[in-house]
Amino acid sequence: EDQVTQSPEALRLQEGESSSLNCSYTVSGLRGLFWYRQDPGKGPEFLFTLYSAGEEKEKERLKATLTKKESFLHITAPKPEDSATYLCAVQAGSGNQFYFGTGTSLTVIP
Amino acid sequence: ETGVTQTPRHLVMGMTNKKSLKCEQHLGHNAMYWYKQSAKKPLELMFVYNFKEQTENNSVPSRFSPECPNSSHLFLHLHTLQPEDSALYLCASSPSGVARDTQYFGPGTRLTVL
Repeated sequence: EDQVTQSPEALRLQEGESSSLNCSYTVSGLRGLFWYRQDPGKGPEFLFTLYSAGEEKEKERLKATLTKKESFLHITAPKPEDSATYLCAVQAGSGNQFYFGTGTSLTVIP
Repeated sequence: ETGVTQTPRHLVMGMTNKKSLKCEQHLGHNAMYWYKQSAKKPLELMFVYNFKEQTENNSVPSRFSPECPNSSHLFLHLHTLQPEDSALYLCASSPSGVARDTQYFGPGTRLTVL
């Protein structure tokens, strides 16, 4: 069965303390891996798409990487405004269905 | 208006009520989606429409009835819901509904069933 697992479930960081979030997946025929940010009471906001192992994308303090089994979202010198839930989704097979993880809730303390 | 909009943002309804959720996308996309988001659970895909045609129905109970009159509008009609249907309902759109398409989400409707 296709599965997406995110860890840790929750993460508290001091402002400026860099860390990484993990998204591991067991799907056949990965077509794309997507990272979203979700603030409380809002819809997910698109961050990155990664299509193949070895690919990396960057945006401000965020950097996403992809291997054949997992993806990491690296957060460098985070700020309180980076506090949010980060969701990972994979698209596999011939269809366009997304399989989402349960997310990592990130809190950055000033 | 830009992106994907949803109305209402909050809805409280009794189990015998009938209500509808509305979604509109201003991105020129051709595929639209309904998701359910419950606490501590992954987003659950409910329905997919591609060029106004329903292409996915993930075993959703018949008390949820989708409608897609054109590529820009999507509705979710609700009737005789259960308390366990309380959740955040998210609408999304993507350019073409094929693999590798990025989905863009609306702000959601927070539904409470009493």
